Amino acid sequence: DVQMTQSPSYLAASPGESVSISCKASKSINTYLAWYQEKPGKTNKLLIYSGSTLQSGTPSRFSGSGSGTDFTLTIRSLEPEDFAVYYCQQHNEYPLTFGSGTKLEIK
Amino acid sequence: EVQLVESGGGLVQPGRSMKLSCAASGFTFNNYDMAWVCQAPKKGLEWVATISYDGSSTYYRDSVKGRFTISRDNAKSTLYLQMDSLRSEDTATYYCARGPGDAWGQGASVTVSS
Repeated sequence: DVQMTQSPSYLAASPGESVSISCKASKSINTYLAWYQEKPGKTNKLLIYSGSTLQSGTPSRFSGSGSGTDFTLTIRSLEPEDFAVYYCQQHNEYPLTFGSGTKLEIK
Repeated sequence: EVQLVESGGGLVQPGRSMKLSCAASGFTFNNYDMAWVCQAPKKGLEWVATISYDGSSTYYRDSVKGRFTISRDNAKSTLYLQMDSLRSEDTATYYCARGPGDAWGQGASVTVSS
């Protein structure tokens, strides 16, 4: 199975700041990497797929980069609605596997 | 509007069975692979199973192989998860998701306990 190591598990930042979340795969997954946002009371939201392609409706302050084993989600100029939990997921092979999540909280 | 609505969750004893349903609307259901993803209390997301758009192929995580069955009825735009021989470690909220992960349901809570 492909292990997805996501870091940090917790991140505190202020609105307006920029943050980055890392996701490392235990073997190459090409660019088959998605990023999701989880918020209480809302359905999970796909932000980015194929490593760097923004899903329709995802604000441009979100960006994804990487290929192979190392990936990064960057959020520029944080907005209040961005404070949530973020997960990466590889869909290169079964079983599909998620990172353990990053909780982004307001400092 | 794309909607996925799960139903069928609740409390069940270990060793018993439960069947979840996911009613889809707002898109052409039979064009998409569909998946179940679960989340144990205070834990992260975990993929459970995927079924191809026509039901011809299914994939499962190891811990549910032989116990869970994913299926679909394209005429009813409904996805199912039959869960047999349930264990306490299956306790979780189960989400149905459209294949690419671009649509999720609100989840159905399953508690396995005596």
